[in-house]
Amino acid sequence: QVQLQESGPGLVKPSETLSLTCTVSGASIKSYYWTWIRQPPGKGLELIGYIFDNRSPSYNPSLRSRVTISIDTSKNQFSLKMTSVTAADTAVYYCAREGSETAVSLDYWGQGTLVTVSS
Amino acid sequence: DIQMTQSPSSVSASVGDRVTITCRASQGLGRWLAWYQQKPGKAPKLLIYAVSNLQSGVPSRFSGSGSGTDFTLTISSLQPEDFAIYYCQQVSSFPYTFGQGTILDIK
Repeated sequence: QVQLQESGPGLVKPSETLSLTCTVSGASIKSYYWTWIRQPPGKGLELIGYIFDNRSPSYNPSLRSRVTISIDTSKNQFSLKMTSVTAADTAVYYCAREGSETAVSLDYWGQGTLVTVSS
Repeated sequence: DIQMTQSPSSVSASVGDRVTITCRASQGLGRWLAWYQQKPGKAPKLLIYAVSNLQSGVPSRFSGSGSGTDFTLTISSLQPEDFAIYYCQQVSSFPYTFGQGTILDIK
């Protein structure tokens, strides 16, 4: 059974760096595309970016200057760093998998973790 | 970016009703469209991929159709567990974008 679990601080100060990790079990992290998505409270979904194995990640142009996604295949984990955060970055952050047979759609999701940007 | 517009933004319906939600894209998507269901406090769940393919384990009362820029999600006979928010997502052109969501609540 595939499971994804986000972890990281729930509170980040303005101008600092948000760091999250997604731990994957039940699937090889080398075999799929892995994605970060966020959802501000009461709002819709925004894709942040994705990564496949050790290839260069792809980032949403709206966030590209502040975001880094990396992967650690030895730990079956991938990570998100977002610099210079503001209150607008307060959101539930999800990690998810692109299914190999679901035409790029996201078939497994983590439960999400709320990150609040506040001093 | 491709803009995705869902309608209606919210709909009230009763158990047993047939409900249709529409998603319109700002440019053609081919078959690169998915639908998700999200319940309060939970992650979205994939319902349909590639316009009309039912994800494993999803009840057959859910169906998807459409082509080009106009797509629909239909729930043939609403069940109590179907009251949720529904999102479409285009996966034709990066960055993949979502519709704003349709709230389906109980009448």
